[in-house]
Amino acid sequence: AAGVIQSPRHLIKEKRETATLKCYPIPRHDTVYWYQQGPGQDPQFLISFYEKMQSDKGSIPDRFSAQQFSDYHSELNMSSLELGDSALYFCASSLMNSPLHFGNGTRLTVT
Amino acid sequence: QKEVEQDPGPLSVPEGAIVSLNCTYSNSAFQYFMWYRQYSRKGPELLMYTYSSGNKEDGRFTAQVDKSSKYISLFIRDSQPSDSATYLCAGGIQGAQKLVFGQGTRLTINP
Repeated sequence: AAGVIQSPRHLIKEKRETATLKCYPIPRHDTVYWYQQGPGQDPQFLISFYEKMQSDKGSIPDRFSAQQFSDYHSELNMSSLELGDSALYFCASSLMNSPLHFGNGTRLTVT
Repeated sequence: QKEVEQDPGPLSVPEGAIVSLNCTYSNSAFQYFMWYRQYSRKGPELLMYTYSSGNKEDGRFTAQVDKSSKYISLFIRDSQPSDSATYLCAGGIQGAQKLVFGQGTRLTINP
């Protein structure tokens, strides 16, 4: 069965640079979520989109933005990167009110 | 105080043992609960999904939810070394889209 696809798997950036993470949800899923997971931490909700509209917002810094495109893929844009942004970034997708299915994440390292 | 509390462990048990993993939560509005399994460098994988109180069984796994005490549990019977992973509990609100995760319990099954 198709799963959530994230790219890239690994990303190394320097402080103050910009990063773009991509997510391709499971076909026909109408909701996309972004989570951030620091080392040894639980996933923290950043933002979600339902049918291409932002539907909920969590602890997402103002330096980050996200959008969902007409083909339902989503991108998380991160600017002015800081050392503390180093983490695993997960995308998940679901049908409304159904369990979330996660991708394998993008590991971002900021040096 | 976190909305979902989970003992991070680590928990180490011999192969074949029954494993009990537990979480407590504080948000009375939570209506559905999930258990995810996360292997190192992978995304969370959905194990069990439970709506409201009660038990749900799937193979060697049983999930229990007691809304009166705000307590959720996952039992693993006949544990296998391949069950070694971090187990995350999560709660959610019907109509809302984000999940709130516990910290995760790192479990090791020793052959």
